Amino acid sequence: DAMVIQNPRYQVTQFGKPVTLSCSQTLNHNVMYWYQQKSSQAPKLLFHYYDKDFNNEADTPDNFQSRRPNTSFCFLDIRSPGLGDAAMYLCATSSERLAGVPSSYNEQFFGPGTRLTVL
Amino acid sequence: QKEVEQDPGPLSVPEGAIVSLNCTYSNSAFQYFMWYRQYSRKGPELLMYTYSSGNKEDGRFTAQVDKSSKYISLFIRDSQPSDSATYLCAMRERFTGGGNKLTFGTGTQLKVEL
Repeated sequence: DAMVIQNPRYQVTQFGKPVTLSCSQTLNHNVMYWYQQKSSQAPKLLFHYYDKDFNNEADTPDNFQSRRPNTSFCFLDIRSPGLGDAAMYLCATSSERLAGVPSSYNEQFFGPGTRLTVL
Repeated sequence: QKEVEQDPGPLSVPEGAIVSLNCTYSNSAFQYFMWYRQYSRKGPELLMYTYSSGNKEDGRFTAQVDKSSKYISLFIRDSQPSDSATYLCAMRERFTGGGNKLTFGTGTQLKVEL
């Protein structure tokens, strides 16, 4: 089945120790997104890639970076995690290649998330 | 003021009840209105989306949008224990360069009890 896969599902890191979260997709979607969801809060968009073009949200801290080496993979790098970065990180994808097709509204498909704990 | 407001609950109802979930929003640029369901430790999954004001029905679920009041609702008929989850409303606007931005509500935690 086509899907969005996130690894690892659970990640524990130490305060200040860089960490990388991984997302892969078999949907061949050209847009990939990273969201941060803290406990009992709404998912918040950090950034997205439209093909290879990186788009950062204005309020995303510099501590968060991303890489997209190819269509299928996208990484979230947290350079120096703080206690406030503990959250669920959600990867999502959508296809813009169907833009203009009346039945398509470019649904975002979410992965299961990676829960990050910072000690 | 948040762009999207949603009562976090928790909401507890008996099996078979009609559930009403609501969100208000302030951004007129939102074009699509979605409801996602999120089970514990899982990613959100799309339940329904609507584009214009009015009602849209899918099985036991009805989504309602009132753009003039900036108010959306999700109704669940004949609620089942398997409906127990967090329900997130989301609003979509287009990025100029392509792609779309979802702005979520905080989610309403629903429990349907036997």
